[in-house]
Amino acid sequence: DADVTQTPRNRITKTGKRIMLECSQTKGHDRMYWYRQDPGLGLRLIYYSFDVKDINKGEISDGYSVSRQAQAKFSLSLESAIPNQTALYFCATSAQPSGGFENEQFFGPGTRLTVL
Amino acid sequence: AQSVTQLGSHVSVSEGALVLLRCNYSSSVPPYLFWYVQYPNQGLQLLLKYTSAATLVKGINGFEAEFKKSETSFHLTKPSAHMSDAAEYFCAVSDRGGSYIPTFGRGTSLIVHP
Repeated sequence: DADVTQTPRNRITKTGKRIMLECSQTKGHDRMYWYRQDPGLGLRLIYYSFDVKDINKGEISDGYSVSRQAQAKFSLSLESAIPNQTALYFCATSAQPSGGFENEQFFGPGTRLTVL
Repeated sequence: AQSVTQLGSHVSVSEGALVLLRCNYSSSVPPYLFWYVQYPNQGLQLLLKYTSAATLVKGINGFEAEFKKSETSFHLTKPSAHMSDAAEYFCAVSDRGGSYIPTFGRGTSLIVHP
């Protein structure tokens, strides 16, 4: 079974609709992240959470909100979807840095969102 | 804030040829550096990472990268390309002693011709 799962995998919606993307992980990591990927722009950070009570905005948080329901679950919401939010969305997790060494991120399979 | 530049949005090689994907970072203090690969319709997975133990880092699938402080570079190489290497490759960098939030490059699409 996958360590980081995302639902749904694909979603088509209309402008103005509220959308929630969900992420679950079984790696036991404290840190979770939401990114969006657009062609030619790489991955851009939307929100990140270092633990259940620590949620922070990333570089492109406008139009998005998140909820960390538990250590294992981190949801991304689009309150009122617009067409330029059409993108591939990734959830990722990582362990807390330890011993001065950075830990890599583990990514989910992605959610392809289309806003018409 | 850290920035990372990947030179070339697309790199095309023939099967069996050398693969070279370029990554440069902006920092006076050597950061943590990563290369991730994204195969079609999949999420990213780690290829290799540099954490200062050794300047030449070996990763999965025959890839390796060399950290060069004087050039602020961390280029990814593979001696002989295989068709299965066709994918999107991302370089990422994060600061030491900070939040450890990585910054990603824009990605390089590797195309492998028969």
